[in-house]
Amino acid sequence: DADVTQTPRNRITKTGKRIMLECSQTKGHDRMYWYRQDPGLGLRLIYYSFDVKDINKGEISDGYSVSRQAQAKFSLSLESAIPNQTALYFCATSDFGQGRTGELFFGEGSRLTVL
Amino acid sequence: DQQVKQNSPSLSVQEGRISILNCDYTNSMFDYFLWYKKYPAEGPTFLISISSIKDKNEDGRFTVFLNKSAKHLSLHIVPSQPGDSAVYFCAASARAGGTSYGKLTFGQGTILTVHP
Repeated sequence: DADVTQTPRNRITKTGKRIMLECSQTKGHDRMYWYRQDPGLGLRLIYYSFDVKDINKGEISDGYSVSRQAQAKFSLSLESAIPNQTALYFCATSDFGQGRTGELFFGEGSRLTVL
Repeated sequence: DQQVKQNSPSLSVQEGRISILNCDYTNSMFDYFLWYKKYPAEGPTFLISISSIKDKNEDGRFTVFLNKSAKHLSLHIVPSQPGDSAVYFCAASARAGGTSYGKLTFGQGTILTVHP
């Protein structure tokens, strides 16, 4: 089983619908992240959480919200999806800090298409 | 403001030759740099990293070079193999503090194709 699991892997929805992408991890890391990948733009940070009580906006948080339900679970919501939110979304975890490298461990991605 | 830039969208090399992927950054608070590889339908996976206190780090066929004065890093793959064909992302973080603390900022990615 994957250490970082994302559901759903693929989703097609319509403009205006509410969508939730879920992420769970078994790595025991405190830090979790949501990134979005677009062609030519690389990976851009949407939200991140350093622990259950800590939520921070990334560089492109508008139109998104998150919930850190537990150390192992971090979900991303699109309250009212729009076509330019069509992208590949990645959840990641990290053991950054305490002398560690800060390497991110990624899930396999959730491809979202908004029509 | 793109703080980490990979100016070459794609690179094509022959099997056995050297692949050189380049990355530039603008934020002088960045002190740790990483390369990730991504295959289609998979998440990015960590490849190699380098701290700002070093100018070179080697791991098998992969070597990363850091030129702090130029704010430039490069990834060398020698010899290149068809299985190296993937998208390569460079990323940077600021472990010492600042607004980039605890986060990775990624470049746009370079698609490497290694021909047999």
